[in-house]
Amino acid sequence: DIQMTQSPSSLSASVGDRVTITCRASQSISRYLNWYQQKPGKAPNLLIYGTSSLQSGVPSRFSGSGSGTDFTLTISSLQPEDFATYYCQQSDSVPRTFGQGTKVEIK
Amino acid sequence: EVQLAESGGGLVQPGGSRRLSCAASGFAFYSSWVSWVRQTPGKGLEWVANINQDGSEKHFVDSVRGRFTISRDNAKNSVYLQINSLRDEDTAVYYCAVDSSGSYGWDSWGQGTLVTVSS
Repeated sequence: DIQMTQSPSSLSASVGDRVTITCRASQSISRYLNWYQQKPGKAPNLLIYGTSSLQSGVPSRFSGSGSGTDFTLTISSLQPEDFATYYCQQSDSVPRTFGQGTKVEIK
Repeated sequence: EVQLAESGGGLVQPGGSRRLSCAASGFAFYSSWVSWVRQTPGKGLEWVANINQDGSEKHFVDSVRGRFTISRDNAKNSVYLQINSLRDEDTAVYYCAVDSSGSYGWDSWGQGTLVTVSS
């Protein structure tokens, strides 16, 4: 199974900050990497698919990059509605696996 | 509008069974893989199983293989997860999720149904 490791597990940031979350796969997954945002009590919401493609309706302040084993989600200017937990997920092979999540909290 | 709605959760005793349903609308359900993903209280996300378009291909995470089965009825736009021999660690919110656009990401999710395994 492919293990996905996110860092950091949590971070505190202010509105307007640039935030970067990293995700590392235990083996190459090409560009089959997705990012989700989840708010308490809600289902996850797809932000980025295929490493860098922005899902329809997602603000352009979200971006993704990487390939192989190392990937990054960047929020260029953090907004109040962005405080949430973010998960990476590989779609290269089964079992599909998620990172453990990064909780973005208000500083 | 793509919609998914899970049902069937509830309180189950250890060793018990439950059938979860996922009803879909608003997209070409018959042409989509469907997955079940679960989330234990306060914890992260775990993919559980998926099924291909005609039900001929199914995959499971190791922790549920042999205890859970997945099936679908395209005439009813529904997918089912039969969960058997339940353990405490199966307590979770179970979501169905689909890639409705071929992106390899799950762009649509249901609201989830809670399964609590407890005596």
